[in-house]
Amino acid sequence: KQEVTQIPAALSVPEGENLVLNCSFTDSAIYNLQWFRQDPGKGLTSLLLIQSSQREQTSGRLNASLDKSSGRSTLYIAASQPGDSATYLCAVPPWNQGGKLIFGQGTELSVKP
Amino acid sequence: GAVVSQHPSWVICKSGTSVKIECRSLDFQATTMFWYRQFPKQSLMLMATSNEGSKATYEQGVEKDKFLINHASLTLSTLTVTSAHPEDSSFYICSAPATFGETQYFGPGTRLLVL
Repeated sequence: KQEVTQIPAALSVPEGENLVLNCSFTDSAIYNLQWFRQDPGKGLTSLLLIQSSQREQTSGRLNASLDKSSGRSTLYIAASQPGDSATYLCAVPPWNQGGKLIFGQGTELSVKP
Repeated sequence: GAVVSQHPSWVICKSGTSVKIECRSLDFQATTMFWYRQFPKQSLMLMATSNEGSKATYEQGVEKDKFLINHASLTLSTLTVTSAHPEDSSFYICSAPATFGETQYFGPGTRLLVL
């Protein structure tokens, strides 16, 4: 059974810092891995989707990497801003069950001005 | 871009009443939708897969008679929490897969508080 874990659970950094969020998964047989952002009391916004054949994806100040063999992904946020404050979730679809997603617990990020 | 809406955005009800939550894909069709539940400070847990024209598929541990799902059309799925109790208080979020590709579009969520 696939399990997804995110470390740390919470992170507070001063504005301008570069930071890394970690995601690990127990079953390396994945189609893809996604990173989402969730603002308090809101739904999810997709940030990046990495296919199993890819090593990384970039969007603006965000860079996500994937190492299937070790069951790890990282989300790198460059030059953090207060507006980046949110909970970041990673998720993978179970093998052969398209559409469903198994989520990690999330990392609650606070960027201080 | 594709949008998924949910209604209501929040609801407060008395214990024992039933609550219906709607999930709509606004500019695309979704033969499948997913319902998740999120308790405070916890992650999203998949409850069930809603299938247009057929029965929903429930995850282990989710009571199908308590959480009724109806996928009446290609743009609407409803989740009814029957005889709600305080332990059902949670944030309910639906999602629908994109027509092409692997992106999932999530609704804004419905916060349910059962008194």
